[in-house]
Amino acid sequence: EDQVTQSPEALRLQEGESSSLNCSYTVSGLRGLFWYRQDPGKGPEFLFTLYSAGEEKEKERLKATLTKKESFLHITAPKPEDSATYLCAVNNFNKFYFGSGTKLNVKP
Amino acid sequence: EAQVTQNPRYLITVTGKKLTVTCSQNMNHEYMSWYRQDPGLGLRQIYYSMNVEVTDKGDVPEGYKVSRKEKRNFPLILESPSPNQTSLYFCASAIREYETQYFGPGTRLLVL
Repeated sequence: EDQVTQSPEALRLQEGESSSLNCSYTVSGLRGLFWYRQDPGKGPEFLFTLYSAGEEKEKERLKATLTKKESFLHITAPKPEDSATYLCAVNNFNKFYFGSGTKLNVKP
Repeated sequence: EAQVTQNPRYLITVTGKKLTVTCSQNMNHEYMSWYRQDPGLGLRQIYYSMNVEVTDKGDVPEGYKVSRKEKRNFPLILESPSPNQTSLYFCASAIREYETQYFGPGTRLLVL
């Protein structure tokens, strides 16, 4: 069964305290892995797309990596404005499967 | 501005009263999709469309219908809504089925 699991469910960090979010997946044919940011009451906002194991992408304080079984979203020196829910999704042929998200709270 | 729009944004209705939530994109995307988001369950795909007149079921299609008569529009139809369809609904589109999806602002539905 195709499945995406994100951990932790919630994460509280002090401003500047780096950490990583995990997304593990089991799909029969991965065609892409996607990271999104979602603010309360809004639609998910695209962050990264990764297509093959070993691939890495960076944007400001965020870096996404991909292996054959999981992906990490590394947050370096986070700021309060990075507080949001981070969603991971995988594409298996024509369908998308999302994890439940990690709710990140960065305290000043 | 490239965007996905949904209407209405908020809707309160009663059990059994048919409703339609519209979705439109101006990016000439081939792939469009509907999701529902519930606390603790994440986003779950309801239906998707690979192109005009091509639609297929996602993970939770029961109680929903869709149509894709034009490339830009992908309405979600609830023929006989029930309280368990109370949820936050998102429409999304992508250039192709394996590419990045772009989401609309969401429609919050309450079925009494």
